[in-house]
Amino acid sequence: AQSVTQLGSHVSVSEGALVLLRCNYSSSVPPYLFWYVQYPNQGLQLLLKYTTGATLVKGINGFEAEFKKSETSFHLTKPSAHMSDAAEYFCAVGTGNQFYFGTGTSLTVIP
Amino acid sequence: EPEVTQTPSHQVTQMGQEVILRCVPISNHLYFYWYRQILGQKVEFLVSFYNNEISEKSEIFDDQFSVERPDGSNFTLKIRSTKLEDSAMYFCASSSQDRILSNQPQHFGDGTRLSIL
Repeated sequence: AQSVTQLGSHVSVSEGALVLLRCNYSSSVPPYLFWYVQYPNQGLQLLLKYTTGATLVKGINGFEAEFKKSETSFHLTKPSAHMSDAAEYFCAVGTGNQFYFGTGTSLTVIP
Repeated sequence: EPEVTQTPSHQVTQMGQEVILRCVPISNHLYFYWYRQILGQKVEFLVSFYNNEISEKSEIFDDQFSVERPDGSNFTLKIRSTKLEDSAMYFCASSSQDRILSNQPQHFGDGTRLSIL
């Protein structure tokens, strides 16, 4: 069975500080991993994805994530938070025919 | 940039009534999806649709739900007899290739908020 766990439903960081949003997954087969962002009253936008190859994946808006198989993690980072990064972030895992989202992490950026 | 559009943005319906949520996917996309997000909970996969038939569905997608591509542009989700627990945000998405295996991302609409009274 596959599942996604996002630690911390709310994360607050100061503008300019490091953003770290945690995602752990469980999967019986090699997973494909995704991060999506949801701005208020909008749909989901793909930030980045890992399928195969390099384990450090760079996405839009300066975000990146590293697939660590030994830790079953796919944490999302950004070196310096901007006010515009305030949103809900969802980690997702896809394996075979199934696609699961985590419960989301709400990111607040403090001026 | 082309986008997925969903109508209406907010639908209020009496319990037991039928509701149809409409989506216009990106025109050259082949794969279509519906997701649901109950308030404060995670986004849940409902169904995927390819080549005019359902390619997979979750356990949430029971006999009360159906999808249809009635013409070359629209993709609809019908809930036959709505229940209170159907209240949620419903997202449509489309992609040019399979959502998991391709390098092409899914494109999501802004959602329809369904409120069942």
